[in-house]
Amino acid sequence: AQTVTQSQPEMSVQEAETVTLSCTYDTSESDYYLFWYKQPPSRQMILVIRQEAYKQQNATENRFSVNFQKAAKSFSLKISDSQLGDAAMYFCAYNPNAGNMLTFGGGTRLMVKP
Amino acid sequence: DTGVSQNPRHKITKRGQNVTFRCDPISEHNRLYWYRQTLGQGPEFLTYFQNEAQLEKSRLLSDRFSAERPKGSFSTLEIQRTEQGDSAMYLCASSLVGAYNEQFFGPGTRLTVL
Repeated sequence: AQTVTQSQPEMSVQEAETVTLSCTYDTSESDYYLFWYKQPPSRQMILVIRQEAYKQQNATENRFSVNFQKAAKSFSLKISDSQLGDAAMYFCAYNPNAGNMLTFGGGTRLMVKP
Repeated sequence: DTGVSQNPRHKITKRGQNVTFRCDPISEHNRLYWYRQTLGQGPEFLTYFQNEAQLEKSRLLSDRFSAERPKGSFSTLEIQRTEQGDSAMYLCASSLVGAYNEQFFGPGTRLTVL
């Protein structure tokens, strides 16, 4: 069974600084997708960034980028120029190419200090 | 595009009562998923539909839980004889086959069983 682990229950960052959230996963599949989702307080979950396992290039979306290390089964999220609106729970999620369900990590609560 | 909607947003019930939740996916999406999220945890997969067919169910989905998607559009999740352990946020998501299985989430229904 696939598992996703987020080892940082909470992180804090100063506004305008950079923070990195960690995620590791376990799978025997070679083709899969990895996602980072953001869940603001009392608001719905939205997709931040997606990475296809077959792509060596790390995905980037504006201030958000990932460091995907396939051999190490590591998928970290870097947030640059942190903003107050980035404060939220962040979930790492795994989806096998042939499968459909998302397997989520336990989440990291990010606090942004003004 | 109005996104995924869920009703009700909150439900308080007494132990032993039955409850039903509704999810309306994004209109052109043919896959619909149900997840359960307890406080401070990541969502856990319950079940999913492709069109009207229920294709996968988690072992978390006990006999007291039933889900339907009668015409391949909206879905309902019913919990019979609720227990206090059923208290959680129930999330619905939808996706389009082939589109990286990117799942779009609704706001959730928060169930409290007294």
